[in-house]
Amino acid sequence: DTGVSQDPRHKITKRGQNVTFRCDPISEHNRLYWYRQTLGQGPEFLTYFQNEAQLEKSRLLSDRFSAERPKGSFSTLEIQRTEQGDSAMYLCASSLVGPINPYNEQFFGPGTRLTVL
Amino acid sequence: AQSVTQLGSHVSVSEGALVLLRCNYSSSVPPYLFWYVQYPNQGLQLLLKYTTGATLVKGINGFEAEFKKSETSFHLTKPSAHMSDAAEYFCAVSGTGANNLFFGTGTRLTVIP
Repeated sequence: DTGVSQDPRHKITKRGQNVTFRCDPISEHNRLYWYRQTLGQGPEFLTYFQNEAQLEKSRLLSDRFSAERPKGSFSTLEIQRTEQGDSAMYLCASSLVGPINPYNEQFFGPGTRLTVL
Repeated sequence: AQSVTQLGSHVSVSEGALVLLRCNYSSSVPPYLFWYVQYPNQGLQLLLKYTTGATLVKGINGFEAEFKKSETSFHLTKPSAHMSDAAEYFCAVSGTGANNLFFGTGTRLTVIP
């Protein structure tokens, strides 16, 4: 397994357009996280899935954002009617939470950099 | 509630000099602490973590960090900086019952030849 992958790596869109990002976690990992990182800041939590269930959403996740993990494997993050303030790096992470990793060590993908013009 | 403060958004050291990146945390539960490194246009790579047990933890690339509960600190050090250490470093905290990581704002390390 080569780790967490994300697609695309870069996306440039015009304000008002919809965009969708994909994340493929490490195959045996049961948790998948989405974070957003703006310039000069650390990653901020958006949402996470335990298998296919979305268990927590941050206040940062406005109604224009939706995430899915339909079969408990890959996940998609969609942003509708993009705004310039959505420009950021969107990071995906996965973890295997259980007896061998009760500390929730997360493994990050390379990120998708979104630019909204 | 959990949070992290990283003092110094930019740190410059000479090649071969000591690296010290500061991290202070706040946590209402026993913390799990992490240091990640991020190279330009890449994701985050785990350097080291403290969960329980020994308070001095060693990580990859010669980095280490010491958990000091009395000071609520988890500073990252490396005895001798290398040019390849130039990157952004993030401290993060989690804890029992916490489902996500809380990150600091990061410290950009520059290594001067």
